[in-house]
Amino acid sequence: KQEVTQIPAALSVPEGENLVLNCSFTDSAIYNLQWFRQDPGKGLTSLLLIQSSQREQTSGRLNASLDKSSGRSTLYIAASQPGDSATYLCAVSTYNNNDMRFGAGTRLTVKP
Amino acid sequence: GAVVSQHPSWVICKSGTSVKIECRSLDFQATTMFWYRQFPKQSLMLMATSNEGSKATYEQGVEKDKFLINHASLTLSTLTVTSAHPEDSSFYICSARDSREKVREQYFGPGTRLTVT
Repeated sequence: KQEVTQIPAALSVPEGENLVLNCSFTDSAIYNLQWFRQDPGKGLTSLLLIQSSQREQTSGRLNASLDKSSGRSTLYIAASQPGDSATYLCAVSTYNNNDMRFGAGTRLTVKP
Repeated sequence: GAVVSQHPSWVICKSGTSVKIECRSLDFQATTMFWYRQFPKQSLMLMATSNEGSKATYEQGVEKDKFLINHASLTLSTLTVTSAHPEDSSFYICSARDSREKVREQYFGPGTRLTVT
């Protein structure tokens, strides 16, 4: 069964810092990996989707990498802003399953 | 981009009553929809996979008689929480996969917050 782990569980940084969020998964036979943002009490906002054949995806200040063989993905946020404060969730979709498995998330706080 | 809606966005009900939550894909057809539950400060947990025209597939530990799922059309799936209890209070999120896409990306609804008093 696929297990997804996110480290750290919480992170607080001053505005302007670059930061990295980590995601690991136990079954490397994934179909894709997706990073989401969730604000308190709200639904999910999709940030980046990486197919299993891809190594990274970029959108603005966000860059996500995927190392399927080691079961790891990172989300890099450049020049963080207070508006980036949210919980970031990593989710993987495997070939064997038809669904997505989520990590517990990293709660990010960017202080002005 | 693909849009998924949920209705209602929040609902309060009394213990013992039933509540129906709707999930709609607005601009695409979805043969497969998923229902997740999220308790406070926890991640999303898959409850069931909803397949159009057939029975839903439930995850281990999820009572199929308590959480009734109906996927009667290619754009609508419903989740009915029967005989709701306070421990069923949670944030319920659905997602849908575009039948035409090979990418298998899931599009998520905004969620429904259920409070059972």
